Amino acid sequence: EVQLVESGGGLVQPGGSLRLSCAASGFTFSSYWMHWVRQAPGKGLVWVSRINSDGSSTSYADSVKGRFTISRDNAKNTLYLQMNSLRAEDTAVYYCARANSGWTDWGQGTLVTVSS
Amino acid sequence: QSVLTQPPSASGTPGQRVTISCSGSSSNIGTNTVNWYQQLPGTAPKLLIYSNNQRPSGVPDRFSGSKSGTSASLAISGLQSEDEADYYCAAWDDSLNGWVFGGGTKLTVL
Repeated sequence: EVQLVESGGGLVQPGGSLRLSCAASGFTFSSYWMHWVRQAPGKGLVWVSRINSDGSSTSYADSVKGRFTISRDNAKNTLYLQMNSLRAEDTAVYYCARANSGWTDWGQGTLVTVSS
Repeated sequence: QSVLTQPPSASGTPGQRVTISCSGSSSNIGTNTVNWYQQLPGTAPKLLIYSNNQRPSGVPDRFSGSKSGTSASLAISGLQSEDEADYYCAAWDDSLNGWVFGGGTKLTVL
């Protein structure tokens, strides 16, 4: 069974940093592109970033470019999102998702709250 | 303001057929395929339709997708109470070099 489990969310002050993790199991992690998608409270889904299967290629939404860094450790079956210079508008539930003809599998999400 | 445009709400009675539209442009829906996601209250999204009209295994054939030009549609036939959820369309945008979503449509089963 495919499982994606996010962790690392919490309360952080504006300008602060946080690193999210997504532990994957039940599939060959190193074979799949992975994505981060976020959802602000009561709002819609917003794509954040993606990374290819070996980590050599990444893309970011304009709203996070230069502040967020996506990475992966295929030996540990783990996806990461390093978030720096956090702003109030980054407050959201962050989901990791596996790309397999669409985002077929999602984690349960981890809440990031940026507030003083 | 979402790049893809969906109606904020839709509704129907049990057994009815409802359609949700998703309007984009030449840089997204016009050149790339569309995926649809269902999000039940308090849960993570679930893939409903990929590549415009393909259903992942386990998704009932009551759900169908189509695309024409720069617009796409999700149709739900034989509406059931458990279909009450938020529905999102998504596509890759060649100009933005990223994925874009619609703002979501809240479906109410009356």
